[in-house]
Amino acid sequence: EDKVVQSPLSLVVHEGDTVTLNCSYEVTNFRSLLWYKQEKKAPTFLFMLTSSGIEKKSGRLSSILDKKELFSILNITATQTGDSAVYLCAVSSRETSGSRLTFGEGTQLTVNP
Amino acid sequence: DADVTQTPRNRITKTGKRIMLECSQTKGHDRMYWYRQDPGLGLRLIYYSFDVKDINKGEISDGYSVSRQAQAKFSLSLESAIPNQTALYFCATSVLGTGAISDEQFFGPGTRLTVL
Repeated sequence: EDKVVQSPLSLVVHEGDTVTLNCSYEVTNFRSLLWYKQEKKAPTFLFMLTSSGIEKKSGRLSSILDKKELFSILNITATQTGDSAVYLCAVSSRETSGSRLTFGEGTQLTVNP
Repeated sequence: DADVTQTPRNRITKTGKRIMLECSQTKGHDRMYWYRQDPGLGLRLIYYSFDVKDINKGEISDGYSVSRQAQAKFSLSLESAIPNQTALYFCATSVLGTGAISDEQFFGPGTRLTVL
């Protein structure tokens, strides 16, 4: 059974802090790892990582994948109140005619002014 | 804009009632998925469909059924709703990639279902 575990489950920081969110996984037929942001509505896509050691960046957010140790981290620098959300990690596993995602429980990030 | 829509957005029903949640998409994607979300449990896959004739059970399919009426429509039914099916339900779509991996899924706005 595929499994994705995120930590911490909840995090409260002050504006300007840097945070690191963790995602570890056990998945057969690994294809990719994805990060989503969810703000009381539908999840929105942040990154997809397929290769080890390659960092994906978008502004203050960045993510890296370690396929040997089976984990990924999502970094957010200079946090803002608008970064408050649930951050979901998902891993894609290959199937006969496609792929499916297994999600972790999510990390609830709260950024206080 | 190409989009994923879900109806209804909110529904309150009673135990034992039959409920259908509908999902439509104008993205032209061939793959569609149904998830439920409970507090602290992330998203869990109920059913997924890679094309109109290919429907698969996810990790929590018991108590649910689906119908893929067309490439653009994927419905989720609860034949006899029970209170522990109270949750937020999301439909999602993805495209069949040719070449590079394209595992990104696009989510609808969600349906909040309450079973009393």
